[in-house]
Amino acid sequence: NAGVTQTPKFQVLKTGQSMTLQCAQDMNHNSMYWYRQDPGMGLRLIYYSASEGTTDKGEVPNGYNVSRLNKREFSLRLESAAPSQTSVYFCASYHGLIRGGELFFGEGSRLTVL
Amino acid sequence: SQELEQSPQSLIVQEGKNLTINCTSSKTLYGLYWYKQKYGEGLIFLMMLQKGGEEKSHEKITAKLDEKKQQSSLHITASQPSHAGIYLCGADLYGNKLVFGAGTILRVKS
Repeated sequence: NAGVTQTPKFQVLKTGQSMTLQCAQDMNHNSMYWYRQDPGMGLRLIYYSASEGTTDKGEVPNGYNVSRLNKREFSLRLESAAPSQTSVYFCASYHGLIRGGELFFGEGSRLTVL
Repeated sequence: SQELEQSPQSLIVQEGKNLTINCTSSKTLYGLYWYKQKYGEGLIFLMMLQKGGEEKSHEKITAKLDEKKQQSSLHITASQPSHAGIYLCGADLYGNKLVFGAGTILRVKS
């Protein structure tokens, strides 16, 4: 099983450029998440989708948009990238209907904004 | 997340020593996760606690959940260099919103 797959793994952007990070899970999970991690720090929740068709803001949503395309896929879009968005982005999925399951993470996408 | 406080922020221990990392929530916990991350790498699931008083162990790592105190502790016995990394606690606080603490950086001196 692939689990949670994120693309791309690395990306360099110039300030003002846009891009979309893609995430897909093959575990039939209901809930999906996007986090960012800055050097030496924990994970901060950007947006999440508790179930297909819903999205909600997390702790740091400014500058980002998301789309829950279907149950499998949850994308994160940067419309006008800023240097402050340089970070490692992690997508995660969780069963959601059964509390207490494992939260599965992708391998991360390292984004640098110049 | 301000809803989850981890302490200490960083820790340096001599190899072979025991250590404890704490995670305290400002809200009711529906589930508490512990993950480990080696520098520049992905996240490794350690364990998940759901019920008050629950205690789980994985190799030399033990975690407990005190539901009344809304707190979890992670204890490493006889630390080794392989234990070094960032330890993250995460919690299902409400409505499937899963948030994480700021992390604890652990260094183990040989």
